[in-house]
Amino acid sequence: AQSVTQPDIHITVSEGASLELRCNYSYGATPYLFWYVQSPGQGLQLLLKYFSGDTLVQGIKGFEAEFKRSQSSFNLRKPSVHWSDAAEYFCAASSFQKLVFGTGTRLLVSP
Amino acid sequence: DTEVTQTPKHLVMGMTNKKSLKCEQHMGHRAMYWYKQKAKKPPELMFVYSYEKLSINESVPSRFSPECPNSSLLNLHLHALQPEDSALYLCASSSLFYRDRGDEQYFGPGTRLTVT
Repeated sequence: AQSVTQPDIHITVSEGASLELRCNYSYGATPYLFWYVQSPGQGLQLLLKYFSGDTLVQGIKGFEAEFKRSQSSFNLRKPSVHWSDAAEYFCAASSFQKLVFGTGTRLLVSP
Repeated sequence: DTEVTQTPKHLVMGMTNKKSLKCEQHMGHRAMYWYKQKAKKPPELMFVYSYEKLSINESVPSRFSPECPNSSLLNLHLHALQPEDSALYLCASSSLFYRDRGDEQYFGPGTRLTVT
């Protein structure tokens, strides 16, 4: 079955430090991949997407993600975290209009 | 403009009430979605409309009734809900350019529903 795994339930990062959130997918073929961010009580905002081509994709708010086919991974990175980045992050894969989400990673930012 | 709007923001209803959630997008998207999200969980797909026709129903109970009056509007009619239906209801839209694999979806802010 198609699935997306985010192994970290929550991560705490100091403000100004770098960030990497992990995402692994299990699909028959390479799916389209996305990262979304959700602040408490809000909707989901699209950070970036991977369809094909360059495996390093740039997104909004200084985020980037790298697609690694050999590892079935699509990890999200940011070189310097700001306090406003504290939120829930969802990795997702799509197939035939269905988005399959990971369970999410809650990012906490310490001063 | 990548905005999807949803009304109301909050809704409290009794188990015998009938209410509706509304969603609107002006991005020219031809697919619209309803999701249900419980606390600390990812969104769960409920319905998909493609070209104003219901294309996916994820075995949702009949007390939830979707409607797509035109390509910009999506409604979710609620009747005889249960307390366990309390959740954040999210609407999303997408183009159908990569229909076989799925385009990016743009989400609205959601309606926080409480069933008493």
